[in-house]
Amino acid sequence: SQQGEEDPQALSIQEGENATMNCSYKTSINNLQWYRQNSGRGLVHLILIRSNEREKHSGRLRVTLDTSKKSSSLLITASRAADTASYFCATRRSGGSYIPTFGRGTSLIVHP
Amino acid sequence: GAVVSQHPSWVICKSGTSVKIECRSLDFQATTMFWYRQFPKQSLMLMATSNEGSKATYEQGVEKDKFLINHASLTLSTLTVTSAHPEDSSFYICSARDSGASGIADTQYFGPGTRLTVL
Repeated sequence: SQQGEEDPQALSIQEGENATMNCSYKTSINNLQWYRQNSGRGLVHLILIRSNEREKHSGRLRVTLDTSKKSSSLLITASRAADTASYFCATRRSGGSYIPTFGRGTSLIVHP
Repeated sequence: GAVVSQHPSWVICKSGTSVKIECRSLDFQATTMFWYRQFPKQSLMLMATSNEGSKATYEQGVEKDKFLINHASLTLSTLTVTSAHPEDSSFYICSARDSGASGIADTQYFGPGTRLTVL
């Protein structure tokens, strides 16, 4: 069964705007990861946040984690057309194997 | 960063034939590789965990005799779709975990995927 669920399923914005995607999960986790997938391609790892971390930055990406609400958000600032892709969250369950469980993804379209 | 390749990138075959997909870790060793299947606009569904030198571990509902996995070396895993049917048409993605990683061990490196179309 799926662990993570991204919201919204689809997001359409203009270049320069910020894009925020959310991920909710059901069980306690060890860490949460965000991946990006361009159409018809493999996944690219973006960022990993551990359960004892609340916020993490990487370039234009900002990830937050709220374990009390079992949710995470991915913020892409100053979006570019090249950011157009699907974004997935994946969780590693506490005490579970390191195999991540993926959500359905958010499809982001950035219009130039 | 670590690179994982897949071959072929796409394949079209007739119903009833078998298709082999290769997954290679190019600059690191991977004792464990994973095979996923993805339908259009859907999430990745884990099919099986490929273990070097031992049998693969299949997820519930995945037919072992249908999807043969071989992990003969630390850099190569193969997925063979036997007697393929149109419903097997999908995007197959492999990933590998860097066995020697001193950094974030949970990070998986994904191949570019293989688009299988069965006529």
